[in-house]
Formats: sequence, C-alpha cells, structure tokens
Amino acid sequence: KNEVEQSPQNLTAQEGEFITINCSYSVGISALHWLQQHPGGGIVSLFMLSSGKKKHGRLIATINIQEKHSSLHITASHPRDSAVYICAVRSGNSGGSNYKLTFGKGTLLTVNP
Amino acid sequence: GAGVSQSPRYKVAKRGQDVALRCDPISGHVSLFWYQQALGQGPEFLTYFQNEAQLDKSGLPSDRFFAERPEGSVSTLKIQRTQQEDSAVYLCASSLTGFPYEQYFGPGTRLTVT
Repeated sequence: KNEVEQSPQNLTAQEGEFITINCSYSVGISALHWLQQHPGGGIVSLFMLSSGKKKHGRLIATINIQEKHSSLHITASHPRDSAVYICAVRSGNSGGSNYKLTFGKGTLLTVNP
Repeated sequence: GAGVSQSPRYKVAKRGQDVALRCDPISGHVSLFWYQQALGQGPEFLTYFQNEAQLDKSGLPSDRFFAERPEGSVSTLKIQRTQQEDSAVYLCASSLTGFPYEQYFGPGTRLTVT
C-alpha cells in the first residue's frame, strides 16, 4: 500500500463548481504539501501545512493529524485550475531524514467551461 | 530572482547511451533534491545534497545513476547505459536549509530512451 493515497485519481468539473481532493497517509509526518503540476510544466508549491487550515485566494487546504487526512478545496473553479494536484508528506522522523518528501500519484483535475 | 532551471528540457537517448541532466538551483539555496517521475505517477525521491555533500542517495535505482554537486551550486544527474525503464521526467528542487524546507521545483527534464 502506498504511503500516500489520493482520491479521486481523475476529476472533471464544470466551471464554478466547488472541488475537493483528498489525501490520506499512513506514516507520521512533520508537514504535508499540496503541489500543482500543469502538463509539460514544473511543480508549483501551493501549501505546506502541519495543522489546521490555510487559505490562499480560492484555494483552501485542511489537515487532520489524528485522522492522517488532508483535503484541498477549490472554490468557484475555473478552466485555468485544470492541472494535476499532488499531495506530498514530509517524514516526521527526528533522526534526520525529515527533508524527504513522499508523493501521492496525483489527481488530474479538468474544469470545463 | 530566477527560479530553478533545468537543461535540457527534453532529451531523447538511444538505449545504451549515457546522458547528463543539469540543474541550476536558486542562488543561495543550500539543499538540492533530484526526483524521478514516471508517466502517470507522483515523483519519487532520488538523492539529496546539502551544499556539495550528497547526504542521501538511497533513491537512486541502480549504480548506473550518479549525481554530483561539486561546488555546492549546479548539480548534474548522470545516467550511464540508459535503459527504456529510465524514461521519465527528472525533477530538481532546491530549498534553503532548515525548517520549513519549502522546496522550489524546476520544470523538469523529460528523458525518452528509445
């Protein structure tokens, strides 16, 4: 079983819809990242969080440490939001390897006009 | 300032050829990471440098893979005797050292081995 599981794998929405992408992980972590990857492009970091909730524009990320679960929400979705969204966790290992990220497989979001 | 840059952006190699992929991190970033991303998958960790020291190479899939960062800035990932299974996007990321370890990614090099 992958240490980081995302759902859904693919998501198609109509412009304006509220989007939720989920991430579950099975290991202790020190931080969780949400990343965005456009086709043929590099990866952009959206959020890094270790507790609670963060908001940036139309994007909201939440994390529940006890349940080992995080969600990424997009309000009022737009076709330019179409991309792959990737969840990555940073190890909570205090032995020195907490620089290492373990990634989910990503969720391909397509927002139609 | 400039972000992380990688070159070439695309590379086609014939099986058995050696390739070298370059990463220019953000100036002043101490930490540098290489990742491999197969089609339809998330990135996977290959190796980690702090300055010129390679502190972790546990993710390198075989001894055909070699990475260096001799002056603590530019890094090169070299793959010898390429195989078809090496076809992937190779991503480089850099960060300032210490928490919170925010990583900044380059655009990647797409390697296709024919």
